[in-house]
Amino acid sequence: EAGVAQSPRYKIIEKRQSVAFWCNPISGHATLYWYQQILGQGPKLLIQFQNNGVVDDSQLPKDRFSAERLKGVDSTLKIQPAKLEDSAVYLCASSTSDRGQHGYTFGSGTRLTVV
Amino acid sequence: RKEVEQDPGPFNVPEGATVAFNCTYSNSASQSFFWYRQDCRKEPKLLMSVYSSGNEDGRFTAQLNRASQYISLLIRDSKLSDSATYLCVVNILGGGGNKLTFGTGTQLKVEL
Repeated sequence: EAGVAQSPRYKIIEKRQSVAFWCNPISGHATLYWYQQILGQGPKLLIQFQNNGVVDDSQLPKDRFSAERLKGVDSTLKIQPAKLEDSAVYLCASSTSDRGQHGYTFGSGTRLTVV
Repeated sequence: RKEVEQDPGPFNVPEGATVAFNCTYSNSASQSFFWYRQDCRKEPKLLMSVYSSGNEDGRFTAQLNRASQYISLLIRDSKLSDSATYLCVVNILGGGGNKLTFGTGTQLKVEL
């Protein structure tokens, strides 16, 4: 079974620039999550999708972050404009349902550096 | 108060030692519990689920105390390859559905 695919692996941008990350979940996984992991901290949920609908985006900084999952499969996360404090690893995860009873499978992440 | 709290460590132990990590959570409505392992510059990977009756997987034993809202992970006969960060994870049912909430992680370094 193919895992969660993310791209790019690394990205370096200047502050105030825009950036987008892409995620392809495990086939058949209805629920998709974007997490932000700042160095030295645990992952923090940014947004959760069930199919193509948003279930939870309470911790997404909506003034600069946006995410979509138009066809209920792939997802993109965008930051516009980026700030220095957005430097982090952005992890995508998927699960078979939103019950989360069996944990999630994470992609390898996108490491963003804002300079 | 953080939703999931862990001692960040690092725990430096010799090979073959037994080491225990603890974790507390604040939301009594939490439904399921996990330990994830994260190697340096890698993504978190599920180590094991945690059940109320306690469960064991080889050298790893996890326990849950719902009354005290406390989770533990015991590693016996530690190996160099066990060096990693161990994340305590709680599945909380909220208005938006279930979501996994992570602690900050406990760093383990196993030394010769």
